[in-house]
Amino acid sequence: DAKTTQPPSMDCAEGRAANLPCNHSTISGNEYVYWYRQIHSQGPQYIIHGLKNNETNEMASLIITEDRKSSTLILPHATLRDTAVYYCIVRVVSNQGGKLIFGQGTELSVKP
Amino acid sequence: NAGVMQNPRHLVRRRGQEARLRCSPMKGHSHVYWYRQLPEEGLKFMVYLQKENIIDESGMPKERFSAEFPKEGPSILRIQQVVRGDSAAYFCASSPTTQETQYFGPGTRLLVL
Repeated sequence: DAKTTQPPSMDCAEGRAANLPCNHSTISGNEYVYWYRQIHSQGPQYIIHGLKNNETNEMASLIITEDRKSSTLILPHATLRDTAVYYCIVRVVSNQGGKLIFGQGTELSVKP
Repeated sequence: NAGVMQNPRHLVRRRGQEARLRCSPMKGHSHVYWYRQLPEEGLKFMVYLQKENIIDESGMPKERFSAEFPKEGPSILRIQQVVRGDSAAYFCASSPTTQETQYFGPGTRLLVL
């Protein structure tokens, strides 16, 4: 089962910041928080990941709380093309690999 | 640098036939993961392979499904004697090492008539 909880859906106005929350209260010290998105049944697209520090790249920012029990993905200026299902995933890596366990995600609708 | 490639993108089979799905990882990636997405459902892990080895097949159905990743060539997901319930999108992902990020291909949509 997925170790994360996300709201099923969110709306955001075009040009505004989209803040997508994720709860992962049972995360362990060696588990990373990953974000992917899936646009209309295409292959999942990697967005960003982090362990305990906040991270930023050209797509988004990831804010992880100090206790690591929750995080927020921020799309600073949402566009219509950001409409997608966003998945927050807690990933542990071991000798058996690091499979991704997807939950239901958050369906983000960016509206004009 | 080309991304993960999957072919065919769409595959139609009749019940009882065999389906072969191919995945070419990104250049330099020797780790491949297969996931399945049933209609209106989330993605589910199936199998994890390194070159010539199956490392984790905990998500693979016990019968009719097999996977390989030979020394040369793409990874193959093989489904024998397909049934209607196998209709789904099958995605593969690759990474250069176990620890690093997985990047997904565009998927193969399998339709069983």
